[in-house]
Amino acid sequence: NAGVTQTPKFRILKIGQSMTLQCTQDMNHNYMYWYRQDPGMGLKLIYYSVGAGITDKGEVPNGYNVSRSTTEDFPLRLELAAPSQTSVYFCASSTGTGSREQYFGPGTRLTVT
Amino acid sequence: QQQVKQSPQSLIVQKGGIPIINCAYENTAFDYFPWYQQFPGKGPALLIAIRPDVSEKKEGRFTISFNKSAKQFSLHIMDSQPGDSATYFCAARRETSGSRLTFGEGTQLTVNP
Repeated sequence: NAGVTQTPKFRILKIGQSMTLQCTQDMNHNYMYWYRQDPGMGLKLIYYSVGAGITDKGEVPNGYNVSRSTTEDFPLRLELAAPSQTSVYFCASSTGTGSREQYFGPGTRLTVT
Repeated sequence: QQQVKQSPQSLIVQKGGIPIINCAYENTAFDYFPWYQQFPGKGPALLIAIRPDVSEKKEGRFTISFNKSAKQFSLHIMDSQPGDSATYFCAARRETSGSRLTFGEGTQLTVNP
């Protein structure tokens, strides 16, 4: 049981490049989330999904896109990377009932130069 | 709009001290208040959580105090240890928001030996 896995761990992008951050969970959770973490700013929700085929915007969705074709996978797409997207990105998952505790992946550190 | 305000941003205590981290919220519809602990290079993990129908919850050396009328809650760490050095996030959730959390800005705690 690996929990939530994210790839890559680190990435450097040039301004204007695109990339996809991968996230996979093996807990059969319906809910999945993408956050970005900036120093002194806490965790900001980018996008979330309540099940395969259903996604919605969070607090800071601009510059990002997501898809959810399976329960397990929730990739985050960055189009036309900008320096403001330099951050640490965390994927999380949870059930939709009971404690609804969110389980986080180890994060992807992205630098855009 | 910052709906959960956390302080202090950083905190240094000696081993055995009792660090206290405070959070204040605005939305009275919040009904679940978790604390997450994050070690360097790792994703956050749930530490302890409270609902507003109780004023205090203890789990081992960690205690949440909750003041519904003041819309404030705090984390106390008894007999703190160097291994408690981490970043701590408070958060809040509305029942109607599914599993989405609103996070505070985070507190970086250092416990010196």
